[in-house]
Amino acid sequence: QVQLVQSGAEVKKPGSSVKVSCKASGGVFSSYAINWVRQAPGLGLEWMGGVIPFFGTANYAQKFQDRVTITADTSTNTVYMELSSLRSDDTALYYCGRGGLPAALNNWIDPWGQGTLVTVSS
Amino acid sequence: QSVLTQPPSASGTPGQRVTISCSGSSSNIGSNPVNWYQQLPGTAPKVLIYANDVRPSGVPDRFSGSKSGTAASLAISGLQSEDEAHYYCSAWDDSLTGSWVFGGGTKLTVL
Repeated sequence: QVQLVQSGAEVKKPGSSVKVSCKASGGVFSSYAINWVRQAPGLGLEWMGGVIPFFGTANYAQKFQDRVTITADTSTNTVYMELSSLRSDDTALYYCGRGGLPAALNNWIDPWGQGTLVTVSS
Repeated sequence: QSVLTQPPSASGTPGQRVTISCSGSSSNIGSNPVNWYQQLPGTAPKVLIYANDVRPSGVPDRFSGSKSGTAASLAISGLQSEDEAHYYCSAWDDSLTGSWVFGGGTKLTVL
């Protein structure tokens, strides 16, 4: 059964960047999409983008298009999400989640990583 | 403002049946399957229903999903205390280059 393990909590200054990792183990990696979804404190879920590691090209939500970069390293079964020009309203739990079926972004998301808390504060 | 519309809260007593609605548009629910996620307090979401009405292995058959046109619903029968959680609907939206959209979430309280 695939498991996703994310990197630890981060505290960042406004204007800086953060890079969060998501390492997959126990299953097929490169043919399944990895999505990034964030959740601000007390709020709902917001999709940021996703990548199918085999193909390498990421798809981003329009809202984050200019600030987010999602990359995959198939040699280590790890996907990275880098968010730049951080603002206080980027403070959130950031989750990675695997696509339910191979070779497509648009089926469902399962399983999810444990979440990484990113706090943006001066 | 979420793209999909859900009621912010729902409640029921143990044993009751509760439904949670989710409304979208032609570019998302109207043309793509709906998934439902359960988020227990302090944990990551997990898929509860995918492809409108399919329960993953391990999800009790008390949970069921349906879709009609641009709306979907999640039904929970035989409500149990451990069902108290947030529930989110989601669908792929075909606008622009495509993206996942979510409802704002429904907090289910078991009275």
